[in-house]
Amino acid sequence: NAGVTQTPKFQVLKTGQSMTLQCAQDMNHNSMYWYRQDPGMGLRLIYYSASEGTTDKGEVPNGYNVSRLNKREFSLRLESAAPSQTSVYFCASGVGGVTLRGGPQHFGDGTRLSIL
Amino acid sequence: GNSVTQMEGPVTLSEEAFLTINCTYTATGYPSLFWYVQYPGEGLQLLLKATKADDKGSNKGFEATYRKETTSFHLEKGSVQVSDSAVYFCALFRNSGGYQKVTFGIGTKLQVIP
Repeated sequence: NAGVTQTPKFQVLKTGQSMTLQCAQDMNHNSMYWYRQDPGMGLRLIYYSASEGTTDKGEVPNGYNVSRLNKREFSLRLESAAPSQTSVYFCASGVGGVTLRGGPQHFGDGTRLSIL
Repeated sequence: GNSVTQMEGPVTLSEEAFLTINCTYTATGYPSLFWYVQYPGEGLQLLLKATKADDKGSNKGFEATYRKETTSFHLEKGSVQVSDSAVYFCALFRNSGGYQKVTFGIGTKLQVIP
């Protein structure tokens, strides 16, 4: 089925460890996004990629890096995990393009990340 | 700046009850307004949208009307079902600096009991 696929679904890390969250979409969308979801705060944008080859910071980029590997894939990396990064992470894609037209239209099922 | 205000809940209703989830916004210009739904363990799905004042978005029995005079986009459903239990997010889309930017509310949890 077409959609946004995130891996892994669950992960537990120790403070200071690093890891990469993977995201792939098969809808030929131009734009991709990474959000974190925390209780009482809704969704906050970490990074986005308006189109292949570009990435930009969102509201809460500190402690994260991203790579737009190709049109399908957009990964999120935590270089040195901290307890404050415990959250549920969502990848999303949209038709978008340079203007991010239409915003995030399809979301993955999320990665639940715990940092001890 | 842009903001979206909605109650976090939970909102608890009996099956077949009438639902209203309030959403108000602050924005300059002419934003578009969206409702998303998140079922347990899943990502967000677009539920409905309205792109200009007085437009009504509707889908799956849910409706919301874009009211510019009250800066609101309240979500309603006439008769809820247990399967409607989910978190509902109001979102504002606005063009800024050549980009279409999205601001989400905090999400309102709905629990429908049989």
